[in-house]
Order: sequence, then structure tokens, then C-alpha cells
Amino acid sequence: GAVVSQHPSRVICKSGTSVKIECRSLDFQATTMFWYRQFPKQSLMLMATSNEGSKATYEQGVEKDKFLINHASLTLSTLTVTSAHPEDSSFYICSASGQRNQPQHFGDGTRLSIL
Amino acid sequence: GESVGLHLPTLSVQEGDNSIINCAYSNSASDYFIWYKQESGKGPQFIIDIRSNMDKRQGQRVTVLLNKTVKHLSLQIAATQPGDSAVYFCAENIISGAGSYQLTFGKGTKLSVIP
Repeated sequence: GAVVSQHPSRVICKSGTSVKIECRSLDFQATTMFWYRQFPKQSLMLMATSNEGSKATYEQGVEKDKFLINHASLTLSTLTVTSAHPEDSSFYICSASGQRNQPQHFGDGTRLSIL
Repeated sequence: GESVGLHLPTLSVQEGDNSIINCAYSNSASDYFIWYKQESGKGPQFIIDIRSNMDKRQGQRVTVLLNKTVKHLSLQIAATQPGDSAVYFCAENIISGAGSYQLTFGKGTKLSVIP
């Protein structure tokens, strides 16, 4: 089946650090990639949708200058949490899809902990 | 920091019994639905999907039922096994205001299998 690789799986860093998370589709071309945030015992909340070669579309309440998304190729999207603070600590998950009405395939998430 | 976690609905099932997980969706215009399984510390894993022109679809040990009249989705797992223990999310495919599509996830149900 389709595989999405997300890296790193865990990050612990000091407040003020910028952190980059990579999401790769390994065996298909992902025209659209999605970034989600998940708090403990809660559902996934969509942060932004990115299409290859264009600017990401952010959900209401998500700061685009805080969460920079780049989708430079059909197999790679990156999320950079800029100047991270403790309130940014969360589980970030990416997904990728080749076509509409096809299932999104998810990475294994990145646990971000800001001290 | 992260929000205080809400308690997910929990379903406890004896090993070997059948499990039924229910989900209510919100948008009558949704045309594609997916069930995902999420194990602790991992990303969601695709289980089964169904399109709105169907009311039932079967996979290996799993069946999804769709009732569009009452906007209800269910996942049935036959002969539940300890490895089925996880959080299960339903997701509906919605066309966003910008014309792209995105998934909206339900709140999730935690399935615990008793050996």
C-alpha cells in the first residue's frame, strides 16, 4: 500500500528554536499534502492544505507565519514551526493524497516537545 | 501547552466478539467516507472507505455501513482480536470553500479488546 514517511518522529528542543518536519510520499505522487495537529485523546485538526507548486491554504486560526509550509515537489512537503514555544508542543501528522476521493495516507507523526 | 485531554468514548469488547463503532457526520454534501485506525504514538491507518452511492462495503473482517438519511456511519469488526485495540476515527470528505477537498475527522472511539 501507499507509504508516507514523516521525519523526525520526535523532537525535544528549547523555546525559540525553529523546527522543520518533513513528509515524503514514497511510492506515489502526492498532488496534495495535508498537515494536522493532534492533542492527547483528541481528534486530528487540519492545519493546512498544500498543493505542489502553490501556496498552502491555512485553516482559520492557524498562523501562516508561525507554521511555514513548503510543497516543492510531488513527493515532499515540509512544515517549519518557527520560534517554537511550549504551547506549540503537540503531535503533528502529515498525510498525502494522489487524487480527490482517494484515501489520504498518513505519516507516523512527529511528537514535538518545546521546553 | 496542550489542552487538557477529553475522554474518548470507549468500547470494550471480549476477544472473538464482533465490534460496532458508530459515527455521525455533519455535511449532507459529503460524498466519500473513510475509517481510520490509530494506534498509540502512530499516524492513522486506512481501514476501509465507502462512497455515497453505496450503503455497504465489506473488507477483510470489516464492514462499513452508510445511512445517508440520518447521516450515520458505522464500522463493524468481526471476531475482534487484541491487535484491533486502538482509536478509530471516521472521516468525511468535504469540498472546501476554495474548491479543494479535505477530510473532517470525527471525535474517535477507543476500542479495548479484553483477552
